[in-house]
Amino acid sequence: EDQVTQSPEALRLQEGESSSLNCSYTVSGLRGLFWYRQDPGKGPEFLFTLYSAGEEKEKERLKATLTKKESFLHITAPKPEDSATYLCAVQAGGSEKLVFGKGTKLTVNP
Amino acid sequence: DAGVIQSPRHEVTEMGQEVTLRCKPISGHNSLFWYRQTMMRGLELLIYFNNNVPIDDSGMPEDRFSAKMPNASFSTLKIQPSEPRDSAVYFCASTQVHSGLYQETQYFGPGTRLLVL
Repeated sequence: EDQVTQSPEALRLQEGESSSLNCSYTVSGLRGLFWYRQDPGKGPEFLFTLYSAGEEKEKERLKATLTKKESFLHITAPKPEDSATYLCAVQAGGSEKLVFGKGTKLTVNP
Repeated sequence: DAGVIQSPRHEVTEMGQEVTLRCKPISGHNSLFWYRQTMMRGLELLIYFNNNVPIDDSGMPEDRFSAKMPNASFSTLKIQPSEPRDSAVYFCASTQVHSGLYQETQYFGPGTRLLVL
């Protein structure tokens, strides 16, 4: 069974304090790994898709990386507006389904 | 584009009542997904459609849940009868799936917050 585990469950940072979120996965033939951001009361908002080990993608203060077993979302010099829940999901080969982790709730204090 | 549209945004009902949630996917997308989100279980896929045809409903919790997609621009998720444990946020998402199951980004709607008393 495909599984996604995210850690930590919650993370508090001071503004400017860089850190990383982890997404570990087990999947039969990874087709894609997706990162989403979810603000309170809203639907998940797409950030990145990674397809193969070694791939990296960046957007503003966020950088996502992928290995064969896990993905990291690096946040450099975060700002309070980066506060949100970050969700990781995997798509297995031969399926259209995404399996989501439970997310990491990030709080950035000014 | 207006994005994925869901209605109602909030629903409060009593146990035993029928609940119908509605979704309009992004125009041109050929796949639609219904999810349920709770604190305990996170975001779970209930059912998804491709070209209006249900492909996988293994996530539907029980027979009280049903979903339809009569055309490319509309889908419903129905709960009958509703129970307190159905209280959750229900999301609809759509995407374009290409041959070989290559999937573009799933775009989510704002969700329907359901409370069953």
